[in-house]
Amino acid sequence: DAGVIQSPRHEVTEMGQEVTLRCKPISGHDYLFWYRQTMMRGLELLIYFNNNVPIDDSGMPEDRFSAKMPNASFSTLKIQPSEPRDSAVYFCASSEIGLAGALAKNIQYFGAGTRLSVL
Amino acid sequence: KQEVTQIPAALSVPEGENLVLNCSFTDSAIYNLQWFRQDPGKGLTSLLLIQSSQREQTSGRLNASLDKSSGRSTLYIAASQPGDSATYLCAVMPMDSSYKLIFGSGTRLLVRP
Repeated sequence: DAGVIQSPRHEVTEMGQEVTLRCKPISGHDYLFWYRQTMMRGLELLIYFNNNVPIDDSGMPEDRFSAKMPNASFSTLKIQPSEPRDSAVYFCASSEIGLAGALAKNIQYFGAGTRLSVL
Repeated sequence: KQEVTQIPAALSVPEGENLVLNCSFTDSAIYNLQWFRQDPGKGLTSLLLIQSSQREQTSGRLNASLDKSSGRSTLYIAASQPGDSATYLCAVMPMDSSYKLIFGSGTRLLVRP
């Protein structure tokens, strides 16, 4: 498997523009996570999905952020309108958790990330 | 609220040294603790996962230990090499019915040739 694939790798946009980040999880994985990494706050979970359904979006900073997972092989994170403080590296990760008993063993596999710069 | 702390924030050692990275967490109710490696401009790579019922895990020159009662984990790297230079992050999965990982801020390691 090619691993978790994110696109684009780099995005530079102007304040107020809409930004869409994309993620293709590892085939067969039933959990998908979106993280944001900044120098000030480190790595933070934004939202995660189980079998394409959003489970916890408490980490989404505000209504300007939205995420979807229309099918098992694709997810998007959208920011509209974007602001300079949204500049960060956004990571997608997937995991095969499956049965509850496997929870303790689960490993999250990360994509290479999208570096977003909002000017 | 679970908090994860890593010390030191940065470490520089000569090649060949054995070294220890530290991770502490405030709530011992966890499913597991994981150590990741992050290279500049890259994503995170899982190194070791220790389940809450385990005390340690080993992979090659890496050994991770877990003392849940004291809220501590260490990552031991034997015979360090320049290729080990990276940021090392630890993360815990709390037992709060969510599958979130709570990350520390990482230790940036430089192994000098």
